[in-house]
Amino acid sequence: QQPVQSPQAVILREGEDAVINCSSSKALYSVHWYRQKHGEAPVFLMILLKGGEQKGHEKISASFNEKKQQSSLYLTASQLSYSGTYFCGTVGTGANNLFFGTGTRLTVIP
Amino acid sequence: DGGITQSPKYLFRKEGQNVTLSCEQNLNHDAMYWYRQDPGQGLRLIYYSQIVNDFQKGDIAEGYSVSREKKESFPLTVTSAQKNPTAFYLCASMVGAGGGRGGEQFFGPGTRLTVL
Repeated sequence: QQPVQSPQAVILREGEDAVINCSSSKALYSVHWYRQKHGEAPVFLMILLKGGEQKGHEKISASFNEKKQQSSLYLTASQLSYSGTYFCGTVGTGANNLFFGTGTRLTVIP
Repeated sequence: DGGITQSPKYLFRKEGQNVTLSCEQNLNHDAMYWYRQDPGQGLRLIYYSQIVNDFQKGDIAEGYSVSREKKESFPLTVTSAQKNPTAFYLCASMVGAGGGRGGEQFFGPGTRLTVL
């Protein structure tokens, strides 16, 4: 039930944009996005719920295609502080727990 | 300040020994979770608890045990039956008992366990 993330890694220069994708083979109730800095705990970014409700950050946006069981995280005008590993977590319909993807390592360079 | 604390930050264990990782939260959250993270991998769920005195196995519960005697505490014991326990362990909590469906999980700083 683990979702698949792509790309596995990406390097950006400051100011560039990035898109991180997450897809599941199961019907989804919600998609969660977290960012983890090296050696630290993951930090919540955003939740996208079935039906279109979105809860999360102002500076980061995301989409959730329920029919395709896919979500994308959009990082615009990247900053050095955006560096880290981004994880998506999915909750299937009828399930209660998060299943996390293997992560996308994002590196922003000056 | 409210939050989740885990101790110790680093833990070394000899093979064959049991070890207990502490997780405490003062957020008054109902649900608590234990995850394991291996290098280059995502988080895998070990155990979770939605209310006091109740807990359920996650995907990789073999070789681990937990207890939930108090709302604020959810310790994890790594037993000698766990074949490859070296990993980064993360505890999380969430308000409400609806599982992970619609809520933000708050994570502790983690414990890095190394088996010598």
